[in-house]
Amino acid sequence: GAGVSQSPSNKVTEKGKDVELRCDPISGHTALYWYRQSLGQGLEFLIYFQGNSAPDKSGLPSDRFSAERTGGSVSTLTIQRTQQEDSAVYLCASSLGARNEKLFFGSGTQLSVL
Amino acid sequence: GQQLNQSPQSMFIQEGEDVSMNCTSSSIFNTWLWYKQEPGEGPVLLIALYKAGELTSNGRLTAQFGITRKDSFLNISASIPSDVGIYFCAGRLPTGNQFYFGTGTSLTVIP
Repeated sequence: GAGVSQSPSNKVTEKGKDVELRCDPISGHTALYWYRQSLGQGLEFLIYFQGNSAPDKSGLPSDRFSAERTGGSVSTLTIQRTQQEDSAVYLCASSLGARNEKLFFGSGTQLSVL
Repeated sequence: GQQLNQSPQSMFIQEGEDVSMNCTSSSIFNTWLWYKQEPGEGPVLLIALYKAGELTSNGRLTAQFGITRKDSFLNISASIPSDVGIYFCAGRLPTGNQFYFGTGTSLTVIP
């Protein structure tokens, strides 16, 4: 597609429920990032995928968070047993993964845990 | 993790004025990116920098990769109301995958 697409744009869930957030990167981009942005804050790195390499999961805040990238394209971020502190905007970015890298972001998913 | 100090935290300026903001890190970075974010949207890439001392322009915006490789600067000349938003810097270490983001500079332009 023309840009990074994320869905849903908004998600309201009850504490304890699981949620899945989807990211469609720009076609041909081999690198994909997930970031989290809490209200009025900067971006917090969660996870990074590059081609067929093992993902860099060093930013995932707990074992309730996981992510997959199928076929080197679409990615899903899953949060199990959601907590109120998980409420944030979850942003996905993709890049060509080349030496001079540029990250292009989607519009994000606003997650609200009640 | 890495701390990126971005300043100022907020700016209120008159239309037509020039704006300067900067980002500093405790470590050497090999890439600096500058973004603008508006409410309800993801960050939009403004300028990318890859070499120490590099000076790059994008319209009224100019950014520089500091020669120490630990800082970067963004200037906006002749500000206009549509420049309103939050500006973020992002940097990456020579080794490692993630980009570290500053806490943002909120810009308000008064017509």
